[in-house]
Amino acid sequence: GESVGLHLPTLSVQEGDNSIINCAYSNSASDYFIWYKQESGKGPQFIIDIRSNMDKRQGQRVTVLLNKTVKHLSLQIAATQPGDSAVYFCAENRGSNYKLTFGKGTLLTVNP
Amino acid sequence: NAGVTQTPKFRVLKTGQSMTLLCAQDMNHEYMYWYRQDPGMGLRLIHYSVGEGTTAKGEVPDGYNVSRLKKQNFLLGLESAAPSQTSVYFCASSRTGGNYGYTFGSGTRLTVV
Repeated sequence: GESVGLHLPTLSVQEGDNSIINCAYSNSASDYFIWYKQESGKGPQFIIDIRSNMDKRQGQRVTVLLNKTVKHLSLQIAATQPGDSAVYFCAENRGSNYKLTFGKGTLLTVNP
Repeated sequence: NAGVTQTPKFRVLKTGQSMTLLCAQDMNHEYMYWYRQDPGMGLRLIHYSVGEGTTAKGEVPDGYNVSRLKKQNFLLGLESAAPSQTSVYFCASSRTGGNYGYTFGSGTRLTVV
């Protein structure tokens, strides 16, 4: 999950395993959430989003789960591949018309 | 479709120098943003714009100015660069602000010596 400080939380998995990356949010007014992937030296890339009227949404090899009761968001990556190695961070709309709020990210390392 | 294009990709400035970072988007998006990203700090919003001719301050606006004279362009200026402004700068655009995802540029790595 997210944390404050100079070092990102890290998750190390074996190629082919499933990965779960977590994100906690605190604002009950948050109604829209996005997961981004950022590879080294590149800009963040949209992966998947979910609105607060949903609990689960699936994409290609990725699933986002939203638990509004405990204010928790997770990203599941199936059959993780070396190309999935990146920093993943969540973003939320805290009831704003114009901006998202970004988390600090989790570094995913996939070992061959 | 190019998406969001940032120029330059890299730059080294001396303390006190000025420069302008250019962001261009070809998606006809209304909203544009400038972020800085520092190790362990995540993305921090510098300035944003909700449409042509409008700009507003974000979380960390000091030392920066912006202009949005054309809908497709959002310029970030550093008036007098300081070492604390060494960072990676990302521009992003969005169709409707906080209700849809952003499209990010590839970043500008700025070093102030």
